[in-house]
Parts: sequence; structure tokens; C-alpha cells
Amino acid sequence: QSALTQPASVSGSPGQSITISCTGTSSDVGGYDSVSWYQQHPGKAPKLLIYDVSNRPSGVSNRFSGSKSGNTASLTISGLQAEDEADYFCSSFTSTSIHYVFGTGTKVTVL
Amino acid sequence: QLQLQESGPGLVKPSETLSLTCTVSGGSITNSIYYWEWIRQPPGKGLEWIGSFCYGETNDYNPSLKSRIAISVDTSKNQFSLRLSSVTAADSAVYYCARRDLGEYFFDFWGQGTLVTVSS
Repeated sequence: QSALTQPASVSGSPGQSITISCTGTSSDVGGYDSVSWYQQHPGKAPKLLIYDVSNRPSGVSNRFSGSKSGNTASLTISGLQAEDEADYFCSSFTSTSIHYVFGTGTKVTVL
Repeated sequence: QLQLQESGPGLVKPSETLSLTCTVSGGSITNSIYYWEWIRQPPGKGLEWIGSFCYGETNDYNPSLKSRIAISVDTSKNQFSLRLSSVTAADSAVYYCARRDLGEYFFDFWGQGTLVTVSS
């Protein structure tokens, strides 16, 4: 199974915006509007941030936004805050028999 | 608020069977509009979907693991369980349980995960 590719780390200063990419193929990211993003603090359960490419669940800050172009999806965090320091990973539905494929994960550091 | 909590042995010997349970609170696992999932993450690697259960439907498993896994349910305890047989070191991972809505392709609630190490 091929994972979706994410940068290992992204950093930014408080108040800045950062973008995390998630690159797949036409069998997953590019073929379906079923990309989701999750935030995970150490030792905690992953938290859903974005679903279906760009939708935010109730209660998730509007500082988090998602988009997609071709085989690459992106998560943008605007107005970066110290509490945003965490691991982030993407997921997509895939036409293969495993149904779901996940990103390699990105560690966000707030400088 | 829905909560999921994984439990089980943290250490399993090679060739033995790994058994984990996910206890669900704040919602019923017999509600057929939800899928209950198992997902794992080996150390230093990405996440891997293991399989899913939906009450009243046939379980769905990752083909690469299908011959070794079984997902079962205990409705009296509102729990669902994972059994993975003939484990090797490659099965060492953090195991998560999660929930997915019928017809959706994202996981809206997760447990915090439990680390299982396969070692003699």
C-alpha cells in the first residue's frame, strides 16, 4: 500500500500561515473529494479537522482550511498559535481494496 | 460526547494472537448508521486501515490482513474487538479504534490508541 506523501515537518511563527501538502494519485486524492485531515497531540486521540476536502466539523476553528488541486490536497493553518503545535495527517478514500489510505504525517512546530 | 477507548495487552509473543477491545461510550455500536473501525500505525510509519464493523452487515477487512484478522462485537458491553493471529514484529504498532458515518469516508471520532509490541 502506498501512503500519501506529506512533508515531515513544517514550522512557522505565531500569527503566520502555513500549508501542509498531501500528495497521492488519481486513484485516491485526485479521484475523489474524500480527503480528510486530522490533528494529533502527543498521547491524544486524533481529531478530525477537515472532511471532504474543505469542510470543517462543528467546533473546529476557521483558522483551518482545506483545498485540493489534482492529486494534491492541502491544509492551511492561518494565524498560527502555540496550541497548533502537533502532528497532522491526511486521509483519502481509495479505489483500491484497502478503501482508505493515509498520509505519512507532518509535525508542525510553532517557533 | 462519543468516546472510544482501546484496551489490551501491550506485549504479545511472535506467532501468538493479538486481542484488543474498543469500549464505546456516549453512543451505541448497534446503531447501523455507523461503521466501527480498526486502524494501526507502526513505529515511524504511516497509518494503515485494518478493518471495519457495522452492526447487521458483513465485516470488511484489509486484504493484506484478511486471513489473520477477525472483528467481533459484544453488544452487552458496547464493545467491539480485534483479533490478529500469527503476529510478527511487523504487527507492532499503535492500534486505534475509530468511528465512521455510513456513506462518509472520514473518521469523526478516534480512541487515543494503544501500543502493542510483538516480542519474545
